[in-house]
Amino acid sequence: DAGVTQSPTHLIKTRGQHVTLRCSPISGHKSVSWYQQVLGQGPQFIFQYYEKEERGRGNFPDRFSARQFPNYSSELNVNALLLGDSALYLCASSPTSVYEQFFGPGTRLTVL
Amino acid sequence: AQSVTQLDSQVPVFEEAPVELRCNYSSSVSVYLFWYVQYPNQGLQLLLKYLSGSTLVESINGFEAEFNKSQTSFHLRKPSVHISDTAEYFCAVSEVSGNTDKLIFGTGTRLQVFP
Repeated sequence: DAGVTQSPTHLIKTRGQHVTLRCSPISGHKSVSWYQQVLGQGPQFIFQYYEKEERGRGNFPDRFSARQFPNYSSELNVNALLLGDSALYLCASSPTSVYEQFFGPGTRLTVL
Repeated sequence: AQSVTQLDSQVPVFEEAPVELRCNYSSSVSVYLFWYVQYPNQGLQLLLKYLSGSTLVESINGFEAEFNKSQTSFHLRKPSVHISDTAEYFCAVSEVSGNTDKLIFGTGTRLQVFP
């Protein structure tokens, strides 16, 4: 079975631009979570979606938004990019809960 | 809110030596604990987890961790490391609030194994 996939793998943007990151969960998994990992730090929770509804949001500004589609794939959108948004963005999927959470390879975003 | 502390940012060790990576968490209620490993330029891989039952949990590649409720610790150990164990290791605790369940991660410990 395929694992969690994310696209693109790398992305370079300039300040003020908008970015969309995509995630496909493991088949059968209905929950998708997004995390931001700044260089040298542990991942920080951004969003959780389950059955297309937002279940939770971390301490991130409104420039960050996400959605989940009927096929359970998900998009993370970031508007008005700042230099500090440069990070590895990780997507994780699970059947229902955090107890079996599987991570994708991540999208590395660089903001210049 | 829960927090996770990984006291050692880097742990250098020679091949075949034992290693311990320390992790402490803040919650006094029931918790679920995890260790993830991250190889360079890759995502996170689950190494092992504690949900309930035996306080000693093992992974398939020789790592083990012991849940110690009184000391709120979940240290990771391996009796003999290999060069291939060189990676970043993250301890995490689950936090359930309302309908949200998420992982709270420590800042990571870089294990560097030397020949």
